[in-house]
Amino acid sequence: GEDVEQSLFLSVREGDSSVINCTYTDSSSTYLYWYKQEPGAGLQLLTYIFSNMDMKQDQRLTVLLNKKDKHLSLRIADTQTGDSAIYFCAESKPGNQFYFGTGTSLTVIP
Amino acid sequence: AAGVIQSPRHLIKEKRETATLKCYPIPRHDTVYWYQQGPGQDPQFLISFYEKMQSDKGSIPDRFSAQQFSDYHSELNMSSLELGDSALYFCASSLRRQLRGETQYFGPGTRLLVL
Repeated sequence: GEDVEQSLFLSVREGDSSVINCTYTDSSSTYLYWYKQEPGAGLQLLTYIFSNMDMKQDQRLTVLLNKKDKHLSLRIADTQTGDSAIYFCAESKPGNQFYFGTGTSLTVIP
Repeated sequence: AAGVIQSPRHLIKEKRETATLKCYPIPRHDTVYWYQQGPGQDPQFLISFYEKMQSDKGSIPDRFSAQQFSDYHSELNMSSLELGDSALYFCASSLRRQLRGETQYFGPGTRLLVL
């Protein structure tokens, strides 16, 4: 099972926190990633978390992993208009391909 | 820092034509991945190469082929193009021997339009 699911849309007000959720099915995934894609652009790696970690924080980004529920979330603190983009979660095992979620389109309202 | 380079960035072809997409990985990266992203879709894995050998194969049509050369760059060859091949094609590279994990870094993509 390589089904990775995300909600399609999220709107937040500038300055608020955004939480983007992702569920996956492959319990043997080793790494889970968050990528950001701006319109017409490539995929930008934001952060990743190893499957034996529960949380990782990197400046405004906080990743939470609930391995039991196979649930991954990305929290963006103090969301800015420049954060408007599509956010993809992805899972992988070493040496293997990535499986991407459907992407969540984040709209930040000024 | 050098990133993944893809060329061309945009390509317009007609049905039944052929196209070649090129990917230059980050220096010293040994693995290249190709993905196809249709409009409004998530990226779908096509094929990967490790040390110039095919490593993994996804939903790549038989009309497509790819290879990785001695300098680690890769080319995706697409023949008998169909309208449905219109998409954004991403290349990603990684260092598989990296002990901390295999993070894939993506190129900017090649936007292919088939008319």
